[in-house]
Amino acid sequence: SQTIHQWPATLVQPVGSPLSLECTVEGTSNPNLYWYRQAAGRGLQLLFYSVGIGQISSEVPQNLSASRPQDRQFILSSKKLLLSDSGFYLCAWVPSGVYNEQFFGPGTRLTVL
Amino acid sequence: SQKIEQNSEALNIQEGKTATLTCNYTNYSPAYLQWYRQDPGRGPVFLLLIRENEKEKRKERLKVTFDTTLKQSLFHITASQPADSATYLCALEWVRTALIFGKGTTLSVSS
Repeated sequence: SQTIHQWPATLVQPVGSPLSLECTVEGTSNPNLYWYRQAAGRGLQLLFYSVGIGQISSEVPQNLSASRPQDRQFILSSKKLLLSDSGFYLCAWVPSGVYNEQFFGPGTRLTVL
Repeated sequence: SQKIEQNSEALNIQEGKTATLTCNYTNYSPAYLQWYRQDPGRGPVFLLLIRENEKEKRKERLKVTFDTTLKQSLFHITASQPADSATYLCALEWVRTALIFGKGTTLSVSS
């Protein structure tokens, strides 16, 4: 069966510090991968999606970036965090080419102080 | 730009009643629409998917309708239970299987 992991589960970082969040999927190959952010009082916002290694599409221009160094690994990064980057970050996957449900990870709660 | 709205942020109902949640969208014609449930501090969990050529879909006590003319989906939970209390998210297909989500409606079912 397939599973999705995210770490860390929680993170408190100062403004201006770098960020690296990791997401890995097990039990499948060539999944489509997604990063979402859920800020307080706001909906789930699509940040990036990837349909293959090294292929990243950005939905929202901001100080975040994403990379997919391996088939089942998706990384969200920032060189300098802003207060507005605080939120709940969720990774999700879908079998490649399948228009169906998305499977979400447990999420990372990021607080920028 | 496309916009997706869920009728209210919060809905309070009594146990046993039917909860009806609304999702409206503009400036877009999605091929399908999905509903998710999210509990506090957890990732969303998929409930139902309905395609543009389907009018209604059911799963146990859940029912979803999709009116592409009105650009609206209704999500019903019949015989609601306190365990149904959660936030329910509407999502439209966007591009390459990505989704855009509404802000959600938080349902509270009291016994």
